[in-house]
Amino acid sequence: DSGVTQTPKHLITATGQRVTLRCSPRSGDLSVYWYQQSLDQGLQFLIQYYNGEERAKGNILERFSAQQFPDLHSELNLSSLELGDSALYFCASSVGTGSTTDTQYFGPGTRLTVL
Amino acid sequence: DQQVKQNSPSLSVQEGRISILNCDYTNSMFDYFLWYKKYPAEGPTFLISISSIKDKNEDGRFTVFLNKSAKHLSLHIVPSQPGDSAVYFCAATSKNAGNNRKLIWGLGTSLAVNP
Repeated sequence: DSGVTQTPKHLITATGQRVTLRCSPRSGDLSVYWYQQSLDQGLQFLIQYYNGEERAKGNILERFSAQQFPDLHSELNLSSLELGDSALYFCASSVGTGSTTDTQYFGPGTRLTVL
Repeated sequence: DQQVKQNSPSLSVQEGRISILNCDYTNSMFDYFLWYKKYPAEGPTFLISISSIKDKNEDGRFTVFLNKSAKHLSLHIVPSQPGDSAVYFCAATSKNAGNNRKLIWGLGTSLAVNP
C-alpha cells in the first residue's frame, strides 16, 4: 500500500459526459501528479500540482483540468468525453517539487471506460 | 515519438537465474533514469534509479547499468524470484526550464519468473 488513494476504482460513462477523479496523496506529500495510461501507450504525464499551485504541465488536453485543494487532495476533471479517453488514470504524490530524488508514489489507478 | 523504448514486451526466466530488462532512450538531455515495478491492479512502485554521472547502481538483488554512449540502460535481477513477476517500466527525466522535471516512460516489459 503506497498510501495514495484514488476513487473511484472503476468508472463507466458515455461519450460527451463529464467525470471527476479524486486523489488523496500520502500524508506529508505536497506534490500530486496525474498520469494517463492507454492500452498501447506508456504512462503519459498530464499535470503536477505542488502545494495547491500548478507546477508542471504535460500532454493534458484542454477538455481536462485539475486542481489541488487546501487539504492537498486533488481532482482531475475530464469533460466532453470521447472513446479515446478510455484509459487507466494514475495519481502519484511526492514530498517535494519533483527533483531527481523526489520519489513518486502511485495510487492504484482509476479505470475509465467511455462507451 | 517514443523517447524511452523497451523493445521486449515480455520476458520469461527460470527462478534463481538472472533477469535482464533493457531500455533504450533517444533524448541525450535525459540525466536521471528510474525503474518502476507494477503488479496487476496496483500502481507502479519505485524500484531503483541511476544518475547519468554513474554507470552502475546496486540495491540488493537489483542492479541498473547505464551506457550513455549507447543511450542504453538495463536492469539486472539476480537471483530472480517468482515474486518478481510483474511489469517493469523504465522512465527517464531531464531538467526543464523552470527547474521542473517530468518522467517519460517506456511501455513496460512483463517479466514472468517460473518456479
